[in-house]
Amino acid sequence: DSGVTQTPKHLITATGQRVTLRCSPRSGDLSVYWYQQSLDQGLQFLIQYYNGEERAKGNILERFSAQQFPDLHSELNLSSLELGDSALYFCASSGSGTGGTGEQFFGPGTRLTVL
Amino acid sequence: SQQGEEDPQALSIQEGENATMNCSYKTSINNLQWYRQNSGRGLVHLILIRSNEREKHSGRLRVTLDTSKKSSSLLITASRAADTASYFCATAPYSGNTPLVFGKGTRLSVIA
Repeated sequence: DSGVTQTPKHLITATGQRVTLRCSPRSGDLSVYWYQQSLDQGLQFLIQYYNGEERAKGNILERFSAQQFPDLHSELNLSSLELGDSALYFCASSGSGTGGTGEQFFGPGTRLTVL
Repeated sequence: SQQGEEDPQALSIQEGENATMNCSYKTSINNLQWYRQNSGRGLVHLILIRSNEREKHSGRLRVTLDTSKKSSSLLITASRAADTASYFCATAPYSGNTPLVFGKGTRLSVIA
């Protein structure tokens, strides 16, 4: 158990809909990362938050947004869903400060299916 | 975008044999990490090697890094059926808390 929790585990929805994925990082970790894993694109970094502030942005679509709350949990919002958004979405967290080792701890993922 | 390319894409070996997976990357890095993923589940960190290190060991794992060739290898010795999983290399451009760039992974099957 990595200590990172993600809900829900599975999500089935229709095109055009909006969903919210939730992540709670390991206790004490200030950085949260969101990754998308699909068969054709592999594991892609979407966005990083550090202590409530956006730190880095990757291949995140404009239809997607995220935030990190004061209690450090994070939510990834996906809107106007398309079939191609079907994927595994992972949240990861890492230790605070630049002294962190860089090792990331991954949650079990949310499997999103868009029909 | 993908940074690393793992080689081979798939590997099938007998229990007790050694498994070697290779990873190549494109840009300069601070460190390179290897992760393991059991089918459809979360990734588990295996080992991290910094750009100024050439070799690192952890249990049955041995990782090498050649920054001049921008490549790394992961060796799993005396493999077990429980080692069956996908293995990914991931690079970090900076130290500390930075997003990782993953390769496409090697699917390892260890046959009992």
